[in-house]
Amino acid sequence: KAGVTQTPRYLIKTRGQQVTLSCSPISGHRSVSWYQQTPGQGLQFLFEYFSETQRNKGNFPGRFSGRQFSNSRSEMNVSTLELGDSALYLCASSLRGDTGELFFGEGSRLTVL
Amino acid sequence: AQKITQTQPGMFVQEKEAVTLDCTYDTSDQSYGLFWYKQPSSGEMIFLIYQGSYDEQNATEGRYSLNFQKARKSANLVISASQLGDSAMYFCAMREKYGNKLVFGAGTILRVKS
Repeated sequence: KAGVTQTPRYLIKTRGQQVTLSCSPISGHRSVSWYQQTPGQGLQFLFEYFSETQRNKGNFPGRFSGRQFSNSRSEMNVSTLELGDSALYLCASSLRGDTGELFFGEGSRLTVL
Repeated sequence: AQKITQTQPGMFVQEKEAVTLDCTYDTSDQSYGLFWYKQPSSGEMIFLIYQGSYDEQNATEGRYSLNFQKARKSANLVISASQLGDSAMYFCAMREKYGNKLVFGAGTILRVKS
Protein backbone atom coordinates (compact mmCIF):
# COMPACT_ATOMS: atom_id res chain seq x y z
CA LYS A 1 0.00 0.00 0.00
CA ALA A 2 1.57 3.26 -1.13
CA GLY A 3 2.06 5.97 1.47
CA VAL A 4 1.53 9.69 1.22
CA THR A 5 3.45 11.11 -1.75
CA GLN A 6 4.63 14.69 -1.91
CA THR A 7 6.20 16.42 -4.88
CA PRO A 8 8.57 18.03 -5.40
CA ARG A 9 10.81 16.96 -2.55
CA TYR A 10 13.14 19.94 -2.84
CA LEU A 11 12.82 23.28 -4.53
CA ILE A 12 14.48 26.65 -4.56
CA LYS A 13 12.62 29.86 -5.38
CA THR A 14 13.34 33.56 -5.17
CA ARG A 15 11.40 36.21 -3.32
CA GLY A 16 8.25 37.29 -5.09
CA GLN A 17 7.77 34.04 -6.96
CA GLN A 18 4.98 31.60 -6.33
CA VAL A 19 5.13 27.86 -5.69
CA THR A 20 2.74 24.93 -5.92
CA LEU A 21 3.23 21.77 -3.88
CA SER A 22 1.39 18.53 -4.48
CA CYS A 23 0.22 15.78 -2.15
CA SER A 24 -1.26 12.41 -3.05
CA PRO A 25 -2.86 10.77 -0.01
CA ILE A 26 -3.02 7.10 0.82
CA SER A 27 -5.57 5.38 -1.41
CA GLY A 28 -9.03 5.70 0.09
CA HIS A 29 -8.12 8.56 2.42
CA ARG A 30 -10.35 11.58 2.02
CA SER A 31 -8.75 14.03 4.44
CA VAL A 32 -5.57 15.90 3.54
CA SER A 33 -3.98 18.43 5.86
CA TRP A 34 -0.90 20.61 5.44
CA TYR A 35 1.70 21.72 7.96
CA GLN A 36 4.67 24.06 7.88
CA GLN A 37 7.77 23.21 9.88
CA THR A 38 10.46 25.79 10.65
CA PRO A 39 13.24 25.80 13.26
CA GLY A 40 11.78 28.88 14.91
CA GLN A 41 8.05 28.15 14.91
CA GLY A 42 8.04 24.36 14.93
CA LEU A 43 5.14 22.55 13.30
CA GLN A 44 2.16 24.70 12.44
CA PHE A 45 -1.13 23.74 10.86
CA LEU A 46 -1.93 25.39 7.55
CA PHE A 47 -5.26 23.91 6.42
CA GLU A 48 -7.24 20.72 5.96
CA TYR A 49 -9.38 19.49 3.12
CA PHE A 50 -12.01 16.79 3.31
CA SER A 51 -13.96 15.71 0.25
CA GLU A 52 -12.80 18.77 -1.69
CA THR A 53 -13.92 21.23 1.00
CA GLN A 54 -11.65 23.22 3.27
CA ARG A 55 -12.63 22.17 6.76
CA ASN A 56 -10.03 23.89 8.91
CA LYS A 57 -7.63 26.76 8.42
CA GLY A 58 -4.65 27.86 10.46
CA ASN A 59 -3.35 31.36 11.12
CA PHE A 60 -1.48 32.02 7.91
CA PRO A 61 -1.84 34.95 5.51
CA GLY A 62 -3.93 34.71 2.39
CA ARG A 63 -0.80 34.09 0.32
CA PHE A 64 -1.14 30.49 1.44
CA SER A 65 -3.94 28.64 -0.30
CA GLY A 66 -4.88 25.11 -1.16
CA ARG A 67 -7.37 22.91 -2.87
CA GLN A 68 -8.37 19.29 -3.12
CA PHE A 69 -9.41 17.43 -6.21
CA SER A 70 -12.08 14.76 -6.64
CA ASN A 71 -9.44 12.03 -6.41
CA SER A 72 -8.41 13.46 -2.99
CA ARG A 73 -5.07 14.74 -4.26
CA SER A 74 -4.30 18.14 -2.85
CA GLU A 75 -2.19 21.11 -3.82
CA MET A 76 -1.04 24.07 -1.81
CA ASN A 77 0.11 27.33 -3.29
CA VAL A 78 2.18 30.10 -1.82
CA SER A 79 2.21 33.36 -3.74
CA THR A 80 4.62 36.28 -3.44
CA LEU A 81 7.19 34.22 -1.60
CA GLU A 82 9.07 35.72 1.32
CA LEU A 83 12.33 34.58 2.89
CA GLY A 84 10.38 33.43 5.94
CA ASP A 85 8.43 30.95 3.84
CA SER A 86 11.53 28.74 3.70
CA ALA A 87 10.40 25.60 5.47
CA LEU A 88 9.57 21.93 5.27
CA TYR A 89 5.97 21.56 4.13
CA LEU A 90 4.36 18.35 5.28
CA CYS A 91 1.16 16.80 4.05
CA ALA A 92 -0.85 14.28 6.04
CA SER A 93 -3.72 12.02 5.10
CA SER A 94 -6.40 10.33 7.12
CA LEU A 95 -9.24 8.03 6.29
CA ARG A 96 -12.02 9.94 7.94
CA GLY A 97 -10.70 13.06 9.51
CA ASP A 98 -11.76 13.12 13.14
CA THR A 99 -10.50 9.87 14.53
CA GLY A 100 -7.81 7.30 13.95
CA GLU A 101 -4.30 7.55 12.60
CA LEU A 102 -2.87 10.38 10.55
CA PHE A 103 -0.01 9.59 8.16
CA PHE A 104 2.52 12.07 6.82
CA GLY A 105 4.50 12.23 3.60
CA GLU A 106 8.21 12.91 3.35
CA GLY A 107 7.68 16.62 2.91
CA SER A 108 8.63 19.29 0.39
CA ARG A 109 11.60 21.37 1.44
CA LEU A 110 11.27 24.92 0.11
CA THR A 111 14.14 27.37 0.12
CA VAL A 112 13.41 31.00 -0.72
CA LEU A 113 16.42 33.10 -1.75
CA ALA B 1 -6.62 26.68 23.43
CA GLN B 2 -5.04 23.29 23.20
CA LYS B 3 -1.39 22.95 24.13
CA ILE B 4 1.22 20.19 24.11
CA THR B 5 4.27 20.37 26.37
CA GLN B 6 7.38 18.26 25.92
CA THR B 7 9.76 19.20 28.71
CA GLN B 8 12.78 17.18 27.58
CA PRO B 9 14.66 18.94 24.78
CA GLY B 10 17.11 16.04 24.53
CA MET B 11 17.53 12.54 25.91
CA PHE B 12 20.24 9.89 25.85
CA VAL B 13 19.60 6.18 26.27
CA GLN B 14 21.83 3.15 26.14
CA GLU B 15 21.16 0.67 23.37
CA LYS B 16 18.76 -2.11 24.46
CA GLU B 17 17.43 -0.11 27.39
CA ALA B 18 13.93 1.37 27.67
CA VAL B 19 13.29 5.11 27.56
CA THR B 20 10.28 7.29 28.38
CA LEU B 21 9.59 10.53 26.53
CA ASP B 22 7.28 12.89 28.40
CA CYS B 23 4.24 14.66 27.02
CA THR B 24 1.57 16.63 28.83
CA TYR B 25 -1.41 18.25 27.19
CA ASP B 26 -4.04 20.81 27.95
CA THR B 27 -7.54 20.77 26.54
CA SER B 28 -11.08 21.40 27.66
CA ASP B 29 -12.49 18.92 25.14
CA GLN B 30 -13.67 15.49 26.23
CA SER B 31 -12.98 13.95 22.83
CA TYR B 32 -9.46 14.21 21.45
CA GLY B 33 -6.67 12.12 20.00
CA LEU B 34 -3.02 11.88 20.96
CA PHE B 35 -0.20 10.97 18.61
CA TRP B 36 3.50 10.30 18.67
CA TYR B 37 5.65 10.78 15.59
CA LYS B 38 9.31 10.13 14.88
CA GLN B 39 11.21 12.47 12.59
CA PRO B 40 14.68 11.35 11.49
CA SER B 41 17.10 13.78 9.92
CA SER B 42 15.59 13.07 6.49
CA GLY B 43 12.51 15.02 7.58
CA GLU B 44 9.82 12.40 7.09
CA MET B 45 7.25 12.31 9.89
CA ILE B 46 6.78 8.67 10.82
CA PHE B 47 3.60 7.69 12.66
CA LEU B 48 4.33 5.65 15.79
CA ILE B 49 1.22 5.37 17.92
CA TYR B 50 -2.26 6.78 18.50
CA GLN B 51 -4.48 6.99 21.57
CA GLY B 52 -8.06 8.14 21.57
CA SER B 53 -9.33 9.91 24.66
CA TYR B 54 -12.04 7.29 25.18
CA ASP B 55 -9.73 4.31 24.70
CA GLU B 56 -9.63 2.49 28.01
CA GLN B 57 -6.42 0.60 27.34
CA ASN B 58 -3.02 2.10 26.65
CA ALA B 59 -2.05 1.87 23.00
CA THR B 60 0.84 -0.37 21.99
CA GLU B 61 2.60 -0.81 18.66
CA GLY B 62 5.51 -3.21 18.75
CA ARG B 63 8.26 -1.64 20.87
CA TYR B 64 6.21 1.51 21.39
CA SER B 65 3.62 2.00 24.08
CA LEU B 66 1.74 5.06 25.19
CA ASN B 67 1.32 5.57 28.93
CA PHE B 68 -1.99 7.43 28.95
CA GLN B 69 -2.95 9.05 32.25
CA LYS B 70 -6.08 11.01 31.53
CA ALA B 71 -6.51 12.61 34.94
CA ARG B 72 -2.95 13.90 34.85
CA LYS B 73 -3.28 14.85 31.17
CA SER B 74 -0.13 13.02 30.23
CA ALA B 75 0.65 10.77 27.28
CA ASN B 76 4.21 9.54 27.66
CA LEU B 77 5.85 7.40 24.98
CA VAL B 78 7.77 4.36 26.14
CA ILE B 79 10.28 2.79 23.76
CA SER B 80 11.48 -0.61 24.88
CA ALA B 81 14.78 -2.20 23.85
CA SER B 82 16.16 0.94 22.21
CA GLN B 83 18.00 0.56 18.92
CA LEU B 84 20.53 2.84 17.24
CA GLY B 85 17.95 3.54 14.54
CA ASP B 86 15.66 5.07 17.16
CA SER B 87 17.89 8.17 17.25
CA ALA B 88 15.63 10.94 15.96
CA MET B 89 13.35 13.80 16.96
CA TYR B 90 10.09 12.70 18.59
CA PHE B 91 6.93 14.78 18.55
CA CYS B 92 3.82 14.48 20.65
CA ALA B 93 0.67 15.90 19.07
CA MET B 94 -3.01 16.29 19.85
CA ARG B 95 -5.92 16.41 17.47
CA GLU B 96 -8.65 18.88 18.15
CA LYS B 97 -12.23 17.73 18.50
CA TYR B 98 -13.20 18.20 14.87
CA GLY B 99 -11.18 17.55 11.79
CA ASN B 100 -7.50 16.81 11.48
CA LYS B 101 -5.84 19.86 12.94
CA LEU B 102 -2.92 18.67 15.05
CA VAL B 103 -1.20 20.75 17.70
CA PHE B 104 2.42 19.68 18.15
CA GLY B 105 4.86 19.89 21.00
CA ALA B 106 8.37 21.27 20.56
CA GLY B 107 9.84 17.79 20.28
CA THR B 108 12.47 15.71 22.08
CA ILE B 109 15.73 14.69 20.43
CA LEU B 110 16.60 11.12 21.37
CA ARG B 111 20.12 9.77 20.99
CA VAL B 112 20.77 6.06 21.43
CA LYS B 113 24.30 5.19 22.51
CA SER B 114 26.04 1.91 21.62
